[in-house]
Amino acid sequence: QKEVEQNSGPLSVPEGAIASLNCTYSDRVSQSFFWYRQYSGKSPELIMSIYSNGDKEDGRFTAQLNKASQYVSLLIRDSQPSDSATYLCAVNPFWAGNNRKLIWGLGTSLAVNP
Amino acid sequence: DGGITQSPKYLFRKEGQNVTLSCEQNLNHDAMYWYRQDPGQGLRLIYYSQIVNDFQKGDIAEGYSVSREKKESFPLTVTSAQKNPTAFYLCASSILTGSGNTIYFGEGSWLTVV
Repeated sequence: QKEVEQNSGPLSVPEGAIASLNCTYSDRVSQSFFWYRQYSGKSPELIMSIYSNGDKEDGRFTAQLNKASQYVSLLIRDSQPSDSATYLCAVNPFWAGNNRKLIWGLGTSLAVNP
Repeated sequence: DGGITQSPKYLFRKEGQNVTLSCEQNLNHDAMYWYRQDPGQGLRLIYYSQIVNDFQKGDIAEGYSVSREKKESFPLTVTSAQKNPTAFYLCASSILTGSGNTIYFGEGSWLTVV
């Protein structure tokens, strides 16, 4: 069974620190990878997508992809209390028909302490 | 403004009733999805549609029905056969880009059985 795994947390970091969120996936031929942020009681919002090995930066966020090791991570620099949320990892596996289904992790809860 | 509109935001259903959740998008996305999220749980796919007049069951389709008569609209009916419908329902749409199948969510609908 194709899976996406995340540490449920909670991950607690002090304000200003770097938060590191990790996600592993089982399907070696997965093509693209997404990070979403979900505040309590709200819908998920897209933070970043990545599909090539290496790092992709967008403001305070950096996504890192290592296909050989089958993991993708999200770094949040200068963490703020407003970053406190659940972070969902999603993977677009090659096997999912014509690629329109994503496989979702259960999310990691992040708490940034002032 | 482009986006995905779900209505109603809050809905109460009596035992034995069917209810319909509306989802409209003006993003010109070809694919649309319905997810269910229970408190503290991950996203579970109910149905998805990649083109008009066609849709596929997701992981938890029993007790639900959908239609896709227009590209912009993908309503979800929660039937009386769904024994535990209280949940947060999320409609989403997507389009294939260079980053893969990027999914965007509406604001969600809360359904409570009374």
